[in-house]
Amino acid sequence: SQELEQSPQSLIVQEGKNLTINCTSSKTLYGLYWYKQKYGEGLIFLMMLQKGGEEKSHEKITAKLDEKKQQSSLHITASQPSHAGIYLCGAAAGGTSYGKLTFGQGTILTVHP
Amino acid sequence: GAGVSQSPSNKVTEKGKDVELRCDPISGHTALYWYRQRLGQGLEFLIYFQGNSAPDKSGLPSDRFSAERTGESVSTLTIQRTQQEDSAVYLCASSSQGSGANVLTFGAGSRLTVL
Repeated sequence: SQELEQSPQSLIVQEGKNLTINCTSSKTLYGLYWYKQKYGEGLIFLMMLQKGGEEKSHEKITAKLDEKKQQSSLHITASQPSHAGIYLCGAAAGGTSYGKLTFGQGTILTVHP
Repeated sequence: GAGVSQSPSNKVTEKGKDVELRCDPISGHTALYWYRQRLGQGLEFLIYFQGNSAPDKSGLPSDRFSAERTGESVSTLTIQRTQQEDSAVYLCASSSQGSGANVLTFGAGSRLTVL
């Protein structure tokens, strides 16, 4: 079965700093999804990457997919306290056309004002 | 509705009791999913509904777990004879068809504690 490993497991940064979270898959990636979770809330969809080399941005968050390395990175520029939460990467199981996703363990981000 | 609604938000039960968790997906979303998030572990896929049928229930951990969906809308996840290891947050998600099929909208979850 596919496994996703996220690094780092937790991250504490000062407001305004840039940061990167990585997600590495044990198998070929057919689609990579980034979600954010706050305590007591569900997961909020951030971005979907489907092709090698694809890069997407939303506000100050940029995600890239390196198909050859079976890896995705999430970069936050000029972090703010509102960015704090748990970031999870999810990957679609090969051959499925529905939302059966395998998730990483999550990266806990704390941003100090 | 505007989002995915789950109830109850919190449930504390005694070992051996049965529990029902409810999910109301986004109106018009034909696909519905249940996931489980246990403390210190990642999200685990439990079951997928397309309409009222469940073509993939491979993630249900035991026969104590069952789920149904009616009217292509509300779904209920039932756990019989609960065990302490069933303690987790149970998340429901829904998605539309086509290119958005894998983009899941999650509810806030039902936190189950089995004493």
